[in-house]
Amino acid sequence: DAKTTQPTSMDCAEGRAANLPCNHSTISGNEYVYWYRQIHSQGPQYIIHGLKNNETNEMASLIITEDRKSSTLILPHATLRDTAVYYCIVRFDYKLSFGAGTTVTVRA
Amino acid sequence: DGGITQSPKYLFRKEGQNVTLSCEQNLNHDAMYWYRQDPGQGLRLIYYSQIVNDFQKGDIAEGYSVSREKKESFPLTVTSAQKNPTAFYLCASSIDQPTDYGYTFGSGTRLTVV
Repeated sequence: DAKTTQPTSMDCAEGRAANLPCNHSTISGNEYVYWYRQIHSQGPQYIIHGLKNNETNEMASLIITEDRKSSTLILPHATLRDTAVYYCIVRFDYKLSFGAGTTVTVRA
Repeated sequence: DGGITQSPKYLFRKEGQNVTLSCEQNLNHDAMYWYRQDPGQGLRLIYYSQIVNDFQKGDIAEGYSVSREKKESFPLTVTSAQKNPTAFYLCASSIDQPTDYGYTFGSGTRLTVV
């Protein structure tokens, strides 16, 4: 599986957009990019995934660069409940590998 | 509602004892997984099973054992051979296509050795 690189932490103001970057420069053509988040002491929660095209759902948007070497998760209007660790993962087969992720703190 | 149930939520074990963590899913998912999480760390894969009566070691299988006798159940036993078992354990399941929404996780079991 391709490895990913994320910033260790970031802060965001409540009501503003949060842009979470992820580098995956060794991604293969058939590997999907997944984003999960984990609120303290809970199981990770699926957010969104994509292959080549940008994706949007009720939680977030995923922007994947044309060369697929990086992506950005966008939380359009961050709330205090979005405070969590966010994981960027690339996946081809069954297994998901979770790194340390980005700790996002939303401040009032 | 469909989902994954892990029990118990908190578990205390004396050194030298084996302990079994339960994981049950009613999502009709073929694949199931066990992860371990230590404070401030990501998740590390212990074991996974793609089909009933078959399972594979993950990255940190030493000191753990699993069984998959039913599609719905994937219990994890932490044996006395696991030298540092205190951790947060997460079970997950998925269908077998990478194009789906990925994993559904349980709420976890926090194991403490006393």
